[in-house]
Amino acid sequence: GESVGLHLPTLSVQEGDNSIINCAYSNSASDYFIWYKQESGKGPQFIIDIRSNMDKRQGQRVTVLLNKTVKHLSLQIAATQPGDSAVYFCAENRENYGQNFVFGPGTRLSVLP
Amino acid sequence: DAGVTQSPTHLIKTRGQQVTLRCSPKSGHDTVSWYQQALGQGPQFIFQYYEEEERQRGNFPDRFSGHQFPNYSSELNVNALLLGDSALYLCASSRTGLAGEQYFGPGTRLTVT
Repeated sequence: GESVGLHLPTLSVQEGDNSIINCAYSNSASDYFIWYKQESGKGPQFIIDIRSNMDKRQGQRVTVLLNKTVKHLSLQIAATQPGDSAVYFCAENRENYGQNFVFGPGTRLSVLP
Repeated sequence: DAGVTQSPTHLIKTRGQQVTLRCSPKSGHDTVSWYQQALGQGPQFIFQYYEEEERQRGNFPDRFSGHQFPNYSSELNVNALLLGDSALYLCASSRTGLAGEQYFGPGTRLTVT
């Protein structure tokens, strides 16, 4: 399949542990953020989103934290599973500015058995 | 319900040639966005089509053009190909106004030799 992110930062975690993936965004005017998961041979898949009027949002096994002061976003994955192995991207957008999402460079998550 | 489909899966072209990539959006979606993803990087927004018109454009030269058809499918055309155009080209579809709910296709891998 398609190989994505051959030279990306890699985070290796043990199966069952929690994972934290970080992202620094660039535009202080950005007010909407999404985390995407991209597996080899596939397009990015939506995981969770958060708007700038929130600092935390939880989904199923995932939590996104937003710190607007330092323009930092994190994705926490609880009880990491082998199926979580992928490249993760954060994307930022300015609401009412169309759908021009700016993606971060990505982090490869590798889950060890 | 079919998701976003793209064709072809892989394509090899020579410098100076022209290429056309195709995208069919997810059922019910009327907006199509195109992204370029170089190896090891996050996707970069090229442009977006809605109601058969280019609604927004990223920082890409005029060699990149597109079209949207009445059935909402879309084409991406690249003229005078350069080696640097080698990348994975992703199509994403959404319903207008729902920026976060965009679904990506698997992409077309373009190699320019």
